[in-house]
Amino acid sequence: KAGVTQTPRYLIKTRGQQVTLSCSPISGHRSVSWYQQTPGQGLQFLFEYFSETQRNKGNFPGRFSGRQFSNSRSEMNVSTLELGDSALYLCASSLSRYEQYFGPGTRLTVT
Amino acid sequence: EDQVTQSPEALRLQEGESSSLNCSYTVSGLRGLFWYRQDPGKGPEFLFTLYSAGEEKEKERLKATLTKKESFLHITAPKPEDSATYLCAVPLYEEGAQKLVFGQGTRLTINP
Repeated sequence: KAGVTQTPRYLIKTRGQQVTLSCSPISGHRSVSWYQQTPGQGLQFLFEYFSETQRNKGNFPGRFSGRQFSNSRSEMNVSTLELGDSALYLCASSLSRYEQYFGPGTRLTVT
Repeated sequence: EDQVTQSPEALRLQEGESSSLNCSYTVSGLRGLFWYRQDPGKGPEFLFTLYSAGEEKEKERLKATLTKKESFLHITAPKPEDSATYLCAVPLYEEGAQKLVFGQGTRLTINP
C-alpha cells in the first residue's frame, strides 16, 4: 500500500508570496491533518479535514488555510509569507480515530 | 492545559547500552498514546499505539509501556541505525475531530 505523498518536497519563496502544498493520503484514509514542524516549536497542529470538511483548527493565523477534495487529497495554502513560516510542513492521514501516518513533508524556506 | 513532555532532550549511548526514554502527559481522559521515530529531514514514522495503563508493545529492540501518567520507550542493546528522534504524541478529540499533541522529542544517538 502506498504511503502518504507530499508535493513538492522543497520550496523556496520570498516574503509576501503565497504557496500551496499538496498531500495525497493513504488509499482509504479519509482524515488528513497538517502539522508545522520547526526547531523551536516542534510539531504543531494546523488543521484536520474529513470528508471535505475542516473539523478542527490549531492556533495559527488566517493566512494558513486548507481544503480537501472528494478523493481525500488535500492542499494547504499560506498567503503573505513571513520569514517565520519557514518550516517542515507535514501531512498525516488516518482512519479517523486511529494512529496517523505521516508523509515525508515539504520543506518551505522563506527568504 | 494538555501537555506532553519528553525527557531527556538528547541521549547519547554506546552500541549495546540499553536505556529508556520518558514521555509524561497531563491530559484528562487519555485515549491513547503514540510513539513515532523521525529521521532528519523525514516525516515521523509510526511505531506504537498504547491505549491503557499496563499495556506493552514491542518491536525489535524497542518496547513501549504505559502508566497512568507516563510512557516509557525502552531500547535494548541499541545499534547505530536506531539513532533518530523519538516522539510521543497524545490524541485530543474536539467535536469528533482528532489532533495530536506532540512532545518535543528525544534525540537519540548510538555510537558504534
